[in-house]
Amino acid sequence: EPEVTQTPSHQVTQMGQEVILHCVPISNHLYFYWYRQILGQKVEFLVSFYNNEISEKSEIFDDQFSVERPDGSNFTLKIRSTKLEDSAMYFCASSQEQGARTEAFFGQGTRLTVV
Amino acid sequence: GENVEQHPSTLSVQEGDSAVIKCTYSDSASNYFPWYKQELGKRPQLIIDIRSNVGEKKDQRIAVTLNKTAKHFSLHITETQPEDSAVYFCAASLNTGKLIFGQGTTLQVKP
Repeated sequence: EPEVTQTPSHQVTQMGQEVILHCVPISNHLYFYWYRQILGQKVEFLVSFYNNEISEKSEIFDDQFSVERPDGSNFTLKIRSTKLEDSAMYFCASSQEQGARTEAFFGQGTRLTVV
Repeated sequence: GENVEQHPSTLSVQEGDSAVIKCTYSDSASNYFPWYKQELGKRPQLIIDIRSNVGEKKDQRIAVTLNKTAKHFSLHITETQPEDSAVYFCAASLNTGKLIFGQGTTLQVKP
């Protein structure tokens, strides 16, 4: 069964450093998403991406965050200057179509720890 | 803004009993309602979903009901087993694809 793949599984970084989280969505999917989950809390939407541009973003997704699809297979989330409160599990997801027409598949997550 | 409320936050049942988790959503335009199961340290996995043109859907021991008028949907697990123990999240979505998640329910099934 096809899967969304995320790397690395765990990233530790110093406060103020830049991090890039990597995702390989399912190959025939067109819609891509990033979510985050602070330990013990609910999953929160960050951003959706379609046709090489951001479709929607939440208020969490401020100027420190950016997303990119550098080639035909990868989808990255960059945090420019990490803060302690950015520590969370970051999930990438992809779907074949939008909204109610199809389900979203989640990657296994990247645990980001900012120290 | 869009919001999804989920109850209870924790639920403990005996093996073989039923478990019910309830969610309400704020945006009446929401039209897709998935349920995810998340085991400790792992990804959320879709277990069942329902679309707004359907009132009920069942898949073996799992069922979901939707009341659009009340903006309310529920997950029902029958004949619970210890391997059903996990955190369950409901979510609601518009056609934008963005999922708004509930706060999660930690289900413990005692053998």
